[in-house]
Amino acid sequence: AQSVTQLGSHVSVSEGALVLLRCNYSSSVPPYLFWYVQYPNQGLQLLLKYTSAATLVKGINGFEAEFKKSETSFHLTKPSAHMSDAAEYFCAGVNTDKLIFGTGTRLQVFP
Amino acid sequence: NAGVTQTPKFQVLKTGQSMTLQCAQDMNHEYMSWYRQDPGMGLRLIHYSVGAGITDQGEVPNGYNVSRSTTEDFPLRLLSAAPSQTSVYFCASSFRDGSYEQYFGPGTRLTVT
Repeated sequence: AQSVTQLGSHVSVSEGALVLLRCNYSSSVPPYLFWYVQYPNQGLQLLLKYTSAATLVKGINGFEAEFKKSETSFHLTKPSAHMSDAAEYFCAGVNTDKLIFGTGTRLQVFP
Repeated sequence: NAGVTQTPKFQVLKTGQSMTLQCAQDMNHEYMSWYRQDPGMGLRLIHYSVGAGITDQGEVPNGYNVSRSTTEDFPLRLLSAAPSQTSVYFCASSFRDGSYEQYFGPGTRLTVT
């Protein structure tokens, strides 16, 4: 069975700084992994997904994530934060055909 | 294409009252699901359906009922609301094509007093 763990419930960065949001997974089989974003008072929107086709996955809004099997990680990065990136981010995986979510990381961006 | 729609957006209930949260999708998705979102706990699966007439329990099903009479609609019923059900509820849908890529509605914020 797969589970996902997000390290850090809150991350704060300055505008223009690197964004790094951490996600680790546990799985004995090649996983499906996702990052979703939730802007204030909205539903979740898919940022990107890993499906074993490539270890570096590019998503919307300049985000990307790298699948590292040796570290069982799927961290989300963006080279330069923008004020509009302030939101909550969820890592998710698949467990017995159902999507399971991490506890979320709230990203704050300061001017 | 409206995507996934949910009504109402906000609701306040008194303990013991019942209500139905509505969810509809116009993408012909076979799979539909209900999640609740609570601070620090992420999204937890309540119930899901893989097609009309088929439903199953998720991680936190107690206190909730669902039915799926059509492909488009997947209502969530609270039979006797409790303060512990105060939460934000999201409906989601996807194709059953192995992609697991779910589309989410805007959510219903429910407060039980």
